[in-house]
Amino acid sequence: SYVLTQPPSVSVAPGKTARITCGGNNIGSKSVHWYQQKPGQAPLLVIYYESDRPSGIPERFSGSNSGNTATLTISRVEAGDEADYYCQVWDITSDQMVFGGGTKLTVL
Amino acid sequence: QVHLQESGPGLVKPSGTLSLTCAVSGDSISSDNWWSWVRQSPGKGLECIGEIHHSGTTKFTPSLESRVTMSVDKSKKQFSLSLSSVTAADTAVYYCARIRMSSTVPTYYFDNWGQGILVTVSS
Repeated sequence: SYVLTQPPSVSVAPGKTARITCGGNNIGSKSVHWYQQKPGQAPLLVIYYESDRPSGIPERFSGSNSGNTATLTISRVEAGDEADYYCQVWDITSDQMVFGGGTKLTVL
Repeated sequence: QVHLQESGPGLVKPSGTLSLTCAVSGDSISSDNWWSWVRQSPGKGLECIGEIHHSGTTKFTPSLESRVTMSVDKSKKQFSLSLSSVTAADTAVYYCARIRMSSTVPTYYFDNWGQGILVTVSS
C-alpha cells in the first residue's frame, strides 16, 4: 500500500514561515490534500488539489508538490496555527484513501 | 452548510460490536459523494475505515475489512458503521466525513467532518 511520511514535529517562531513536508513515492503525480487538527477538534481541510484553499482558509496557507515531496507552507505563522497537520492522497492503485502520520506544529 | 453528527454508545465490551450512525444535513445523502468513517486512536494519527456510496457500494480498509459493515438509510438521511469483534485496540474517536471527488483529476478528499465520538472498548 502507498505510504506517506511526515516529520513528527516542526517548530517555528511567530511571524516566520513554517514548511511541513509529506514524502511519498512519486507523490508529484498525485493530488495532495492537507488537514489541520487542533486538540479536541475534528480535522479541517486547509488545502486541496495541492494548492487550493477552501472558503475561510487564510491565504497564508499554501501548498506545492513535486517529485517525491509535497509541502504545506504557512506564512506569517500565528499562535492559532499551532496544531497537527496531516497530508492525504487517494492511491489509485489500491483505491484507498491514505493519510500521512501527521506533524505537530509548535509555535515558539 | 453540510453538517455531520455521529451518535452511538460510548462504551462497548470486548468481543462485542461497535455500532455508530452519522446523521447528514445540508446535503442530500443521495448526492454523488461518498460517505466515510475515519478513526483516531488516543494520541495517534488518522485511520480510514471505509466509505459508502448512496447506491450501497462500499470500500473498506484491508486491515479492517473482515470486521466492518456499512449501510445507508436514505429516508433517515444517515449512514452507519458496524465493527465486530472489538478489542481495546479499537478504542478511538470515530469521525464520519463526506468525501468529495474531483471531476478533473483522479482524486478524492474529505471536505466535511463530524465532531467525532469517543468509543471505548472495555469490560
